[in-house]
Amino acid sequence: GAVVSQHPSWVICKSGTSVKIECRSLDFQATTMFWYRQFPKQSLMLMATSNEGSKATYEQGVEKDKFLINHASLTLSTLTVTSAHPEDSSFYICSAPTSGRRTEQYFGPGTRLTVT
Amino acid sequence: AQSVAQPEDQVNVAEGNPLTVKCTYSVSGNPYLFWYVQYPNRGLQFLLKYITGDNLVKGSYGFEAEFNKSQTSFHLKKPSALVSDSALYFCAVRDISGNTPLVFGKGTRLSVIA
Repeated sequence: GAVVSQHPSWVICKSGTSVKIECRSLDFQATTMFWYRQFPKQSLMLMATSNEGSKATYEQGVEKDKFLINHASLTLSTLTVTSAHPEDSSFYICSAPTSGRRTEQYFGPGTRLTVT
Repeated sequence: AQSVAQPEDQVNVAEGNPLTVKCTYSVSGNPYLFWYVQYPNRGLQFLLKYITGDNLVKGSYGFEAEFNKSQTSFHLKKPSALVSDSALYFCAVRDISGNTPLVFGKGTRLSVIA
């Protein structure tokens, strides 16, 4: 099956700094990628839809100025958590659908962010 | 709007016994239904999906799920549970368009006891 990678797999940063998380589709092109957030023992909540060549679409309640998304190519989307705070500590997961109507979505392994 | 309900936070089963993890859904049209498994600090692993066709879907690691349109359910099953099946299981739904995100249930933690 298709492979989606995320980098880094885990990161610890100080409060007030920014962190960039990369999501790559390794063997297919993805015009759309999705960013999810998962708090401990909770479900995945969609944060935003990343669209190649255009602005991301954010879900209600997600601060677009805080969570910057850039989908610069057909294989790479980045999520930057700006001015991170401890409450931003979470597990961030991206997914990318393959093309076609009956597509399959492939998930990255996730990035554990801890803000101290 | 689409939604998925997993009524059980936790399911405990003895090793070797059959297991069922429940899921019900709500969609406006035909559903595309999925089951994923998540191990601690790991991403999601795809188990199986229902798009169309046979109501009984077979997936990875011996899991299967039965699509029941009248009951709007898509319960995950396995005839004989293994300790290694202990994990967090998510049911998810999306609409027919491929470029739409999945809507996840809250998850059910399965604990298989030796």
